[in-house]
Amino acid sequence: DSGVTQTPKHLITATGQRVTLRCSPRSGDLSVYWYQQSLDQGLQFLIQYYNGEERAKGNILERFSAQQFPDLHSELNLSSLELGDSALYFCASSRDSYGYTFGSGTRLTVV
Amino acid sequence: AQRVTQPEKLLSVFKGAPVELKCNYSYSGSPELFWYVQYSRQRLQLLLRHISRESIKGFTADLNKGETSFHLKKPFAQEEDSAMYYCALKGGSQGNLIFGKGTKLSVKP
Repeated sequence: DSGVTQTPKHLITATGQRVTLRCSPRSGDLSVYWYQQSLDQGLQFLIQYYNGEERAKGNILERFSAQQFPDLHSELNLSSLELGDSALYFCASSRDSYGYTFGSGTRLTVV
Repeated sequence: AQRVTQPEKLLSVFKGAPVELKCNYSYSGSPELFWYVQYSRQRLQLLLRHISRESIKGFTADLNKGETSFHLKKPFAQEEDSAMYYCALKGGSQGNLIFGKGTKLSVKP
């Protein structure tokens, strides 16, 4: 167990739907990062939050949004889902320059 | 532009053979570099970071600023080393990690 918890582990939904992915960072970590991993694009940085505030944005679509709550857990909301959104979504947290600790990911399948 | 390049998508070696996974970076500052390993699409695990100069599972990596490289090496590959390996650069305005596209290492018996 890395200390970063992601739920659900698997999600199957239909096109056009909306889903919420949840991430609880490692205890004491203030930064949360979301990444999308697909077979053709590799690991793409989506967004970073630090202590509740958005810090950096990567290749995140307008249909996607995220937030970090006062208890530091984060949610990634994906709406108007398309087949191409099927991917593994990873959350990571960090505290210092040591590097990130990743969660086990949520595997999203859009049918 | 900040970029990480892993030129090999797939590297296949026999057990006991030496392994070198290549990583080149582009960064206009003092880089922080990492190697992550991912077994069978599970979570990414930190393998090495250049500032600690440690050896994990027999792997080492040396930062070469002149060649802008951070290649991962192991003298004798084991079957359990088969995995995806990602090189990452801590860049961006807020220090987010920029990943290369990864190299799949396959160690044959």
